[in-house]
This record gives sequence, C-alpha cells and structure tokens, in this order.
Amino acid sequence: DTEVTQTPKHLVMGMTNKKSLKCEQHMGHRAMYWYKQKAKKPPELMFVYSYEKLSINESVPSRFSPECPNSSLLNLHLHALQPEDSALYLCASSQVGERNEQFFGPGTRLTVL
Amino acid sequence: KNEVEQSPQNLTAQEGEFITINCSYSVGISALHWLQQHPGGGIVSLFMLSSGKKKHGRLIATINIQEKHSSLHITASHPRDSAVYICAVGGVQGAQKLVFGQGTRLTINP
Repeated sequence: DTEVTQTPKHLVMGMTNKKSLKCEQHMGHRAMYWYKQKAKKPPELMFVYSYEKLSINESVPSRFSPECPNSSLLNLHLHALQPEDSALYLCASSQVGERNEQFFGPGTRLTVL
Repeated sequence: KNEVEQSPQNLTAQEGEFITINCSYSVGISALHWLQQHPGGGIVSLFMLSSGKKKHGRLIATINIQEKHSSLHITASHPRDSAVYICAVGGVQGAQKLVFGQGTRLTINP
C-alpha cells in the first residue's frame, strides 16, 4: 500500500464551527506532514511529526491543532477559522531523514464561510 | 531572491514536443525533488535525486550539483502531461523540510 488517504475531500465550515481533517498511511512512514496550499501557489509547510512527536511547527495560529494518535494517523483539528484559511490542505508522509521521498495525499479542499 | 527558482513560469506547447523545465537553487542541498500536480488535485512525486540522472518512461530528470541546477524533460509530450511541475529541495532548512519553487504551469495542446 503506497497511498496516503485524506478525509473529507471537501469541507465547508462556518467561523464558529469545530471540524477535523484526517490523514492515514500504511507505508510504515514515521514522518508525517501537514501543508496548506493556496491557489496557484506552492505548498506551505505547517507541521511535521517525527516518531509521533511534533518536531516542526511553522508558527501556525493556534486555531489549527495537529494530533498524531499513532504512527499511521494524523489529524488536524480546526476551530474558529477565518475565511482566509480557505485552501487545499495536504497531508504527506515519508521515512525520517533528509533523502526521503514524500508521498502526498489528495488533499482536503476547505472553504470557511 | 527565492532559494529555489524555476523557469519558465508558464509553458504552452503542442503535443509531441520535447519539454524542458529548469530549476536553480542557491544553497547546498541533500536532495532535489520534482513533483507534479494536476488542476485541483494532489501532488505526485516524480523524482528524487541527489546526483546524475533518472528516467521514468517519458520523463527524465538531471541534476548538476556543482552548478546547482536541475532540469526535468518530457519527451513526446501529451495533453495528459498538462499540470503544474514543482521543484523542491531538501536539507536546506532542516532534515524534514522541503523548500519549494513557485512551479511551472505546463499546457500541452492536442
């Protein structure tokens, strides 16, 4: 299994809602990532987990809360988002270390009203 | 100046043409990645290379470490190759971080 899955594919939420994005991989990868991508821009790194511990937080606002419950799962909890947070949210996974290919999921298209 | 520069930003060609997309970087890296993204879709990793040349089907990627330059070539291009191609480098800002170029939007007309 060389796939990263993400749910849901699309999400529309109001600014007062709480929702979660989910990501799963079964490749035995111990590094998992959250990226945010705005239209016609490259992905921006948000968070990195290595061995289920948060290793990188790119100064992301606290309304985004990541969680890595086990080595296969990665969640992104959303609360009190702003319309400018509307974007494609991509999950990726890789082996830990520098020279490792990242495998990306299909993304969740988030719209905040 | 961005650490990773791609050219061209946009490229339109006819089916069957040979395509070249270039990527230059300004610092030492551990590896360079070429990624493909179709409109509205997720990202697919095409190549990861740290030296020399790699080939998958009609795609060829080369890297020159001394010149800090990589190229992605597509032979016998096809409309299904229409996508954004992104160059990303690793090992610049830490082991797990990729620094991305701005992407090249490729359109292949039938």
